Amino acid sequence: NAGVTQTPKFRVLKTGQSMTLLCAQDMNHEYMYWYRQDPGMGLRLIHYSVGEGTTAKGEVPDGYNVSRLKKQNFLLGLESAAPSQTSVYFCASSMDGVEQYFGPGTRLTVT
Amino acid sequence: DAKTTQPNSMESNEEEPVHLPCNHSTISGTDYIHWYRQLPSQGPEYVIHGLTSNVNNRMASLAIAEDRKSSTLILHRATLRDAAVYYCIPAEGGSNYKLTFGKGTLLTVNP
Repeated sequence: NAGVTQTPKFRVLKTGQSMTLLCAQDMNHEYMYWYRQDPGMGLRLIHYSVGEGTTAKGEVPDGYNVSRLKKQNFLLGLESAAPSQTSVYFCASSMDGVEQYFGPGTRLTVT
Repeated sequence: DAKTTQPNSMESNEEEPVHLPCNHSTISGTDYIHWYRQLPSQGPEYVIHGLTSNVNNRMASLAIAEDRKSSTLILHRATLRDAAVYYCIPAEGGSNYKLTFGKGTLLTVNP
């Protein structure tokens, strides 16, 4: 099993550009999450999903949108990137919400 | 959400036990105590969780105070691979899929 994979691993955007981060899991997990981690800080929850077709806001949802059209995929979109969105983005999945499995992260820089 | 207090950093020697403390004096009766760790340049990794009783698994033990206002993660024999940031996260039992990561404790393991 590949576990949780994230695409791309690195990306540089200019202010105002848009992009989509893809998270995929092959463990048939119901729950999926997107977090961001700024330097020297803990992770903060952006959005999460408790099942296919559902999404909900986390702690810092502004400036991001998500979709969960297929159970195995959770997409995070930035419609108009801002320098404040420079961060490392982690995706996670879980069968029941207790034990979360994290991906390797996407390092995003917005100039 | 319950507030947590963890030491910013701790040091240990290889093959010695490590006790990582966490204070969560505002924890509610339904909050589980989760521990995750994050190795350098990786996503977080689940370590252990519990509610009231002490818990053991292959990675660590979790000792929870009788009043639940503090807990201690115990690594029985530290290895170099255990060098990481350790996060203590109280999370509501009914919605324990929403984890709030603080800054954690940076554990250094000396050879």
